[in-house]
Amino acid sequence: AQSVTQPDIHITVSEGASLELRCNYSYGATPYLFWYVQSPGQGLQLLLKYFSGDTLVQGIKGFEAEFKRSQSSFNLRKPSVHWSDAAEYFCAVGDTGGFKTIFGAGTRLFVKA
Amino acid sequence: SQTIHQWPATLVQPVGSPLSLECTVEGTSNPNLYWYRQAAGRGLQLLFYSVGIGQISSEVPQNLSASRPQDRQFILSSKKLLLSDSGFYLCAWRYRENTEAFFGQGTRLTVV
Repeated sequence: AQSVTQPDIHITVSEGASLELRCNYSYGATPYLFWYVQSPGQGLQLLLKYFSGDTLVQGIKGFEAEFKRSQSSFNLRKPSVHWSDAAEYFCAVGDTGGFKTIFGAGTRLFVKA
Repeated sequence: SQTIHQWPATLVQPVGSPLSLECTVEGTSNPNLYWYRQAAGRGLQLLFYSVGIGQISSEVPQNLSASRPQDRQFILSSKKLLLSDSGFYLCAWRYRENTEAFFGQGTRLTVV
């Protein structure tokens, strides 16, 4: 069965510093991969997605992610974090049937001044 | 453009009372619809999904049920709420299989 692992429950970075959030997935074929962001008390917003093609994907708000098949990873990066980036981030993979999305447990990002 | 509406935003209900949460999508037709629950500090648990009117797939046996009476309307219900039903409920839709999901703003349910 498909699964998604986000190894870091929470991460704290300084404003202006770079960010990398880790995501590993378990999937037999070429996966459909997503990163979402959730502010407290809000729904989830799609940051970026990977379906095929270029393994470096650009998203909104200055985020990017790189698909590495050999490592079964889809890590999210941002070169310079802003205080407004503080939120919870979810990595997700589409299941083989295509009807469902499997989410990781999330990583809470804290940004310090 | 497509929008998703979910209400109410906040709900406090006594144990044993019924529940009805509603979700509607505008600007598209025949979407795949989903109900998720998010417990405090935890990820998303898929509860139900629907690929068409009257069709419901249940992922987790529990005290809840779902219905899709119209193409773009998805309802989450319970006849008698339990304390364990408390959580953040999210509705979502997708154009079709293997596409990204779009989420509503969520309903915070507290059962007291």
